[in-house]
Amino acid sequence: DTEVTQTPKHLVMGMTNKKSLKCEQHMGHRAMYWYKQKAKKPPELMFVYSYEKLSINESVPSRFSPECPNSSLLNLHLHALQPEDSALYLCASSQVRLAGGSSYQETQYFGPGTRLLVL
Amino acid sequence: AQKVTQAQTEISVVEKEDVTLDCVYETRDTTYYLFWYKQPPSGELVFLIRRNSFDEQNEISGRYSWNFQKSTSSFNFTITASQVVDSAVYFCALPDSNYQLIWGAGTKLIIKP
Repeated sequence: DTEVTQTPKHLVMGMTNKKSLKCEQHMGHRAMYWYKQKAKKPPELMFVYSYEKLSINESVPSRFSPECPNSSLLNLHLHALQPEDSALYLCASSQVRLAGGSSYQETQYFGPGTRLLVL
Repeated sequence: AQKVTQAQTEISVVEKEDVTLDCVYETRDTTYYLFWYKQPPSGELVFLIRRNSFDEQNEISGRYSWNFQKSTSSFNFTITASQVVDSAVYFCALPDSNYQLIWGAGTKLIIKP
């Protein structure tokens, strides 16, 4: 089963709101990712969790706050977003290669995404 | 530095035609992987193939085939007898050592009925 689920599918929020995006996978993967994708562009990596620990933060503004409560769940907490943060937010998961603990060459499986509109 | 180039921004063909999507990459690694993903209008990125640089044999999966040529640093994707459902943006990607997938710009494929 190569399924990654994301909720909600669509989200509209004001700049003063607090909301959360949720991602879940049951493939036993120990690496999970958040990406942001603007229209007509490839995805941009935001965060990587490996074994439930944050291992990569690609200089993302603090108004985005990731959380990995357990090996199956990944959240992205949103607060005081700007209109330019409107995008498709994608979650992905992958195996973690045991040798060296790296996962960068493993296949990432993506969820359907959350389309976020910030007004 | 790793780089992936998909020079074809958009391709439009009539259903049942064959179509090839180009991917050219740059890497200094001796061992590497290459990926293709499909992104239909719904938005989900669908994994299509992962290819190891040691394996230069062409891959075929139904109507899909991939031609990997290390000599020209290319990993092209061909759809045979295209169908409307193949309409999507297709991305080629190459991992770097920092968890990043280096993505091509994507090729938008339009299959007309």
